[in-house]
Amino acid sequence: DTEVTQTPKHLVMGMTNKKSLKCEQHMGHRAMYWYKQKAKKPPELMFVYSYEKLSINESVPSRFSPECPNSSLLNLHLHALQPEDSALYLCASSQDSWGGDTEAFFGQGTRLTVV
Amino acid sequence: AQTVTQSQPEMSVQEAETVTLSCTYDTSENNYYLFWYKQPPSRQMILVIRQEAYKQQNATENRFSVNFQKAAKSFSLKISDSQLGDTAMYFCAFGPSGNTPLVFGKGTRLSVIA
Repeated sequence: DTEVTQTPKHLVMGMTNKKSLKCEQHMGHRAMYWYKQKAKKPPELMFVYSYEKLSINESVPSRFSPECPNSSLLNLHLHALQPEDSALYLCASSQDSWGGDTEAFFGQGTRLTVV
Repeated sequence: AQTVTQSQPEMSVQEAETVTLSCTYDTSENNYYLFWYKQPPSRQMILVIRQEAYKQQNATENRFSVNFQKAAKSFSLKISDSQLGDTAMYFCAFGPSGNTPLVFGKGTRLSVIA
C-alpha cells in the first residue's frame, strides 16, 4: 500500500464554519506534511510533522490548526477562513524526517472553496 | 537560499515525439537531490525521477531521463515517445540534504497532442 488518502475530495465552507481535512497513510512513514496549492502554482509548504511532533510551521495563520493524533493520521482543522484560502490542500508523507534523500508520497488533495 | 527556475511555463509535443523540460537551480551546497514531479489533472503529485548530486551518471526511468549538469546547475527532463497520459504539470524540485523541505519550481504545463 503506497497510498496517501485524503478526505474529503471537495469541500465548500462558509467563512464562519469549522471543518477538518483528514489525511491517512499506512506505509509506516513517520513524517507527514500539509501543502497549499493555488491554481497553476507550485505547492507551498504549510506544516511538517515528524514522529507526531510539529517540526515546521511556515508562518501559517492560526485559522489553520494541524493535528497529528498518531503516526498514520494527520488532520487540518479550519476555522474562520477567508475566500483567499480557497485552494487545493495536499497531504504528503515520507519514511523519515524531511530530507532530499527521501521520497515523498502525495495524496490527491482536497479542493477547498471558501464562500 | 536555494531557488529553482523553470523557464517554460507551457509546452506541447506530438504523441510519440521527444520533449525536454528545462530546470536550473541555485545553491551553494555540494550535496543535494533533485526531483521531477508530475501532477496530472487528477491532482496527485507523482515522483517521476530523482537524481543525487554526488552521482555523475544521469538518472533514467523508462521513457524519462535527465541531463544533470552540476557545474551549470542544470537539471532537464527528457520524455521520449510521449504519450497522452504524460499530459500534466511538471515540477522540478531541489532537495537539500538533511532536515529541510523541498524547494519547487513554478512548473511547466505539458500537453501531449494526438
